[in-house]
Amino acid sequence: EPEVTQTPSHQVTQMGQEVILRCVPISNHLYFYWYRQILGQKVEFLVSFYNNEISEKSEIFDDQFSVERPDGSNFTLKIRSTKLEDSAMYFCASREKQGDGYTFGSGTRLTVV
Amino acid sequence: AQTVTQSQPEMSVQEAETVTLSCTYDTSESNYYLFWYKQPPSRQMILVIRQEAYKQQNATENRFSVNFQKAAKSFSLKISDSQLGDTAMYFCAFMKHEGSNYKLTFGKGTLLTVNP
Repeated sequence: EPEVTQTPSHQVTQMGQEVILRCVPISNHLYFYWYRQILGQKVEFLVSFYNNEISEKSEIFDDQFSVERPDGSNFTLKIRSTKLEDSAMYFCASREKQGDGYTFGSGTRLTVV
Repeated sequence: AQTVTQSQPEMSVQEAETVTLSCTYDTSESNYYLFWYKQPPSRQMILVIRQEAYKQQNATENRFSVNFQKAAKSFSLKISDSQLGDTAMYFCAFMKHEGSNYKLTFGKGTLLTVNP
C-alpha cells in the first residue's frame, strides 16, 4: 500500500536553529498538509498546500514557518528559528481528491532544547 | 469554526467485547465528512473509517462501524470483537467541504485500552 514517508523520525535541535522536516507524499496525491501534535494534546492543523501554493494556514503557522515542494516529490516544512514550544510531533499528510481521508506519514518528533 | 468533542478521555474493554467511542461536533455546514483515526503507541495516524454527511447509511469497515446522527451532530465509533491491537488513541475528525483546503479538525482523543 502506498505510504507517506517522513524523515527524520526524530530530530533534536537547539533553540534558535533552523530545521527542515521532509516528507514524500504519495505520488498521485494532489493535496498536502502539515499538522502537529504537542505531547498529550490534540492534533492541530498547520498548513495546506495545493497547486504549488499554500491554500490555507493556521494562526500557528507564522513567519517562522514555510513550506516548499521544490522538485515535485518532496514536501518540506522549515522552521527558521526554533523555540522550545515548537517541540512536538509533526505529521505530513496527503490526499488524492475531494472527500478522501488523508494518508498520514509516521511523523517527525521534533525536540527543541 | 467547527469544533469536535470527545467526552471520554479514556476507556477500556475486555478482549472480544464491543466498545463504543463517542464524538459530537458543531458546525453550520450541511456538506462535510467525518473520520475516525487511530493512533497506536507508534504514534502513526491511521484512518479507521470515514462517513460522508450526505449519506444516511452508516459506514462500516470490518469490525468498525459508526452511528452517524446528523441532526444530533453525533458520530460514534463501535468496535466489535475488540482485539489487543486495537489499543490506541482514537481521534474523531471533521472535514469541511470547502474549496481546496479540506483541513481536518480533530477532537482531543479517547485512549482505548483492550485488556486480555
